[in-house]
Amino acid sequence: GQNIDQPTEMTATEGAIVQINCTYQTSGFNGLFWYQQHAGEAPTFLSYNVLDGLEEKGRFSSFLSRSKGYSYLLLKELQMKDSASYLCAVLDSNYQLIWGAGTKLIIKP
Amino acid sequence: ETGVTQTPRHLVMGMTNKKSLKCEQHLGHNAMYWYKQSAKKPLELMFVYSLEERVENNSVPSRFSPECPNSSHLFLHLHTLQPEDSALYLCASSQDVSGVSEQYFGPGTRLTVT
Repeated sequence: GQNIDQPTEMTATEGAIVQINCTYQTSGFNGLFWYQQHAGEAPTFLSYNVLDGLEEKGRFSSFLSRSKGYSYLLLKELQMKDSASYLCAVLDSNYQLIWGAGTKLIIKP
Repeated sequence: ETGVTQTPRHLVMGMTNKKSLKCEQHLGHNAMYWYKQSAKKPLELMFVYSLEERVENNSVPSRFSPECPNSSHLFLHLHTLQPEDSALYLCASSQDVSGVSEQYFGPGTRLTVT
């Protein structure tokens, strides 16, 4: 079967750095997405990786290793507004999006 | 604001009721989606429409009936639901159904079935 694993919950301190991991086992791979979802709000797109390596976008970076079936989202200079759930999703060989259950990130002052 | 609106935001219905959820996108996209989001579970794709044609139906019970009258509007008609259908129902749109286009989500309808 197809599976996306990410930690259920993480806690970090304001101003620090946090890394949210995502591992996947899917039938084929056509890219990996990260979305952010604040409580009670819509998920919003953060990043899309299809090639190996690190892509930086301001305070957020996303890394992909296709050979390891692994990605991470790196958040720097954490702010209270970064408290949210982070959803990892993989596009499989049929271009179907397989979603993880999300990681709830709690930022403490 | 993501350009995708959903109404109502909250809905409480009994198991014998019939209700409809509405979604509208103002982005000029060609693909629209219905998802079910339950606590601590992955998003479940329910239906996909491309240019008003249904292209996917992921074994969803017939008590959920989608309708896409045009590329900007999507409805989910509900009848004789079960308590386990209580969840957040999210609508999304994207440029196309290729999968590589990012999806824009609405704020969702929080559904409670009593």
